[in-house]
Parts: sequence; C-alpha cells; structure tokens
Amino acid sequence: QVQLVESGGGVVQPGTSLRLSCAASGFTFSNYGMHWVRQAPGKGLEWVAVISYDGSHKYYADSVKGRFTISRDNSKDTLSLQMNSLRAEDTAVYYCAKVAPHYSDSSGYFDHWGQGTLVTVSS
Amino acid sequence: QSVLTQPPSVSGAPGQRVTISCTGSSSNFGAGYDVHWYQQLPGTAPKLLIYGNTNRPSGVPDRFSGSKSGTSASLAITGLQAEDEADYYCQSYDSSLSGVVFGGGTKLTVL
Repeated sequence: QVQLVESGGGVVQPGTSLRLSCAASGFTFSNYGMHWVRQAPGKGLEWVAVISYDGSHKYYADSVKGRFTISRDNSKDTLSLQMNSLRAEDTAVYYCAKVAPHYSDSSGYFDHWGQGTLVTVSS
Repeated sequence: QSVLTQPPSVSGAPGQRVTISCTGSSSNFGAGYDVHWYQQLPGTAPKLLIYGNTNRPSGVPDRFSGSKSGTSASLAITGLQAEDEADYYCQSYDSSLSGVVFGGGTKLTVL
C-alpha cells in the first residue's frame, strides 16, 4: 500500500533553515509528480510546491518562492523541501502528497497524503 | 483570502442532507479545471473524497457526491452521520497563479 512518511520538522528560529523529507513506498515513485501542502495551526490547507515526476519542472507558491526549494531523489524514493529564511508565518504542519494517475503533475489531485510534520518558527 | 470560496461552516441533523459550495473564477473552474474534495477529520491528514468533479474513490460511501457547473462546484452529503463531522476542502488548479488552489475549508457540524 502507498505510504508517505514525512520527517525533519521541529522548532527553529526565524531566519534559519530546515530540510523536510518524505519517504515514499508502495508505488513507483519516479512515475508521479509530488507536492508539498501546509496547514498553519487552526487554518486551512495551503499549497506550497510541486515537482514533476522526473524533477525537471518545479513550481512554488508566491509565499515561499525564492526561499523554499523542492527536490526529489528517484533512486531513493524521497521527496525533499529545503526551507531557508524561515518566518513565523511558515509555522505549519507540512504534508507531502502524491498526484493521482492520469492527471498532470502540476494540476492534478492528491490521492495519498503523508501524516505531516510540524514546523514551528519561533524565537 | 482563498482563491476558492467556501462557507466557513455548515450544520445538519443526523439523516439530513447538506451541501457545501465552492466558488471559483474564470482562471480555475471557468478554465475547465476540475474540482476535487477532501475530508479532514480532527488531527489527521486530508483524505480524498471526490475527484474529477463527480467521482468517488473506492471506499467512499455514495452518500457523498460532487458537482460542478461553470465557476461553481458543490459537495452534497446525504444521510448525515456523526462520523461525517469534519473539515471539507475543495481544490483545483489556477492558471493565473500557475498552482494548485484550495478553498478555505468548511467545518461540518452534525447536530
């Protein structure tokens, strides 16, 4: 069965960096686009970034553009999110999500989600 | 302010029918992009409920149904049950933003 397991969250100070990972299993990782979606405490879902199945295309929400970098290692079935210059407003649970088959990597829907990892940015 | 607009809350008694609206624009629904719906139970990750406007993944009860027309979409839940109490989110793609967009979420309360 499909499993997505995020890790790397924690408490960090504003202006610092953090790297999140998402370990995928149960499907052919290299065939699917992957996204990061976040949810601030008590708030709704916010799309963060997408990477195409082969890593050749990446798109970001304006709120993180220039600070966050999405990447993937298809040899290790791992998705990553490098977060730099973190701000208090980046505090959220970060989910990795798999794009469903037969949809575009960028515009598709998410048929599987990880359990999320909490990032807290606070001084 | 979310690109897709949902009511913050809806409620209904057990057995009743409720609908949750999701209003978009010409750059998402109006451009032909599909709407998808997720259910998020407290403390858990979102779960796919409806995809491609009207389709249910296996395992989702047929009490849940979706529709889309023009720049609006809706999720209907019939025969409300206590276990349906959750947050519901619509999702699509926006060509102006070049990214996935979500509605602000709707909290369903079963009275």
